[in-house]
Amino acid sequence: ETGVTQTPRHLVMGMTNKKSLKCEQHLGHNAMYWYKQSAKKPLELMFVYSLEERVENNSVPSRFSPECPNSSHLFLHLHTLQPEDSALYLCASSPYGVYNEQFFGPGTRLTVL
Amino acid sequence: GEDVEQSLFLSVREGDSSVINCTYTDSSSTYLYWYKQEPGAGLQLLTYIFSNMDMKQDQRLTVLLNKKDKHLSLRIADTQTGDSAIYFCAEREGSQGNLIFGKGTKLSVKP
Repeated sequence: ETGVTQTPRHLVMGMTNKKSLKCEQHLGHNAMYWYKQSAKKPLELMFVYSLEERVENNSVPSRFSPECPNSSHLFLHLHTLQPEDSALYLCASSPYGVYNEQFFGPGTRLTVL
Repeated sequence: GEDVEQSLFLSVREGDSSVINCTYTDSSSTYLYWYKQEPGAGLQLLTYIFSNMDMKQDQRLTVLLNKKDKHLSLRIADTQTGDSAIYFCAEREGSQGNLIFGKGTKLSVKP
């Protein structure tokens, strides 16, 4: 039990679909992150939220849209994705502020057809 | 930009020691981390070391840091089949920055 859950665990979508990934943390942390993990590439930080405010956006295409309604929940809204967006999307949270030790969820394996 | 390098694969026999190496470029890194990712799972923080330390030991895990050479290693004693996973090295940029991850080292443990 990691304390960080992600749903769905697997998602297959077409390029014209709209879907959302959900992350929930039960650890009382106040910072949350989205990462993209592609084969043969380092983990890429996509978005960072601290106290529900976005503090980092590493030049992610606008077809990815994050939402953080409260410190326990983080969403990643997806629309008109490309096949190269297929990857494992990992959510993480950390205590005491941004960039401290991060605890990861199991990830959502996304396939874009 | 900052970069973290790791070898991609390591294969050892059960009971042997495993040593996973990592080099990084940011001399102002304050913390360095080792994460473990088992198949189908997210990353699990294994251990971390503060940049003013040379070594940290935690049960079967030993972390060695050579700050001069910007080299970090993770030694797993008495490696078990359950240790088979991908191990990621990560550095924190400066004192408040992003985590920069390596591509991961896949450890295979043969019985």
